[in-house]
Amino acid sequence: DTEVTQTPKHLVMGMTNKKSLKCEQHMGHRAMYWYKQKAKKPPELMFVYSYEKLSINESVPSRFSPECPNSSLLNLHLHALQPEDSALYLCASSQVASAGLYEQYFGPGTRLTVT
Amino acid sequence: GESVGLHLPTLSVQEGDNSIINCAYSNSASDYFIWYKQESGKGPQFIIDIRSNMDKRQGQRVTVLLNKTVKHLSLQIAATQPGDSAVYFCAETPGSARQLTFGSGTQLTVLP
Repeated sequence: DTEVTQTPKHLVMGMTNKKSLKCEQHMGHRAMYWYKQKAKKPPELMFVYSYEKLSINESVPSRFSPECPNSSLLNLHLHALQPEDSALYLCASSQVASAGLYEQYFGPGTRLTVT
Repeated sequence: GESVGLHLPTLSVQEGDNSIINCAYSNSASDYFIWYKQESGKGPQFIIDIRSNMDKRQGQRVTVLLNKTVKHLSLQIAATQPGDSAVYFCAETPGSARQLTFGSGTQLTVLP
């Protein structure tokens, strides 16, 4: 199984709503990532979890709150978002780079629209 | 800061021809490079990777070339097919960091 799944596929939310994005993988990967991708732009890294601990936060606003409840799941909690936060949110996973470096496997993304 | 960039934003090729997509990187500490394909409405899909101790790696219909002297990476697709139409991103990471830096992407269009 080399699949990363993400739910929901589409999400429309108001600026006062609270919602969560979910990501799951069963490849035994211990590194998981959240990326944000605007139209016609490359993915931009938001967060990295390694062994279920947050290891990298790329200065993301606090209205985005990641959570890694176990080695297979990654959540992104959203609260008080702005219209400019509308984007495709991608989850990825990989083996943890120690002696080597490994490719990241991406999910299909959640298309988020903030109204 | 350092960045990864692509020479051309768009590329159109005839079906059956070979495609070459180029990428320049500026971080001399980068030692791992990946090419991703992203079709409309989907997440990036891994195509091929190469480590800095290699200068060429081949996959099924794809070849990646790495020239560390001029910090240049290329992706060659043989006998390009309509299904190859997508945006192609190069990505790099330095050392043991897990932060991938993506290039700006090239839109490949395969003409019938």
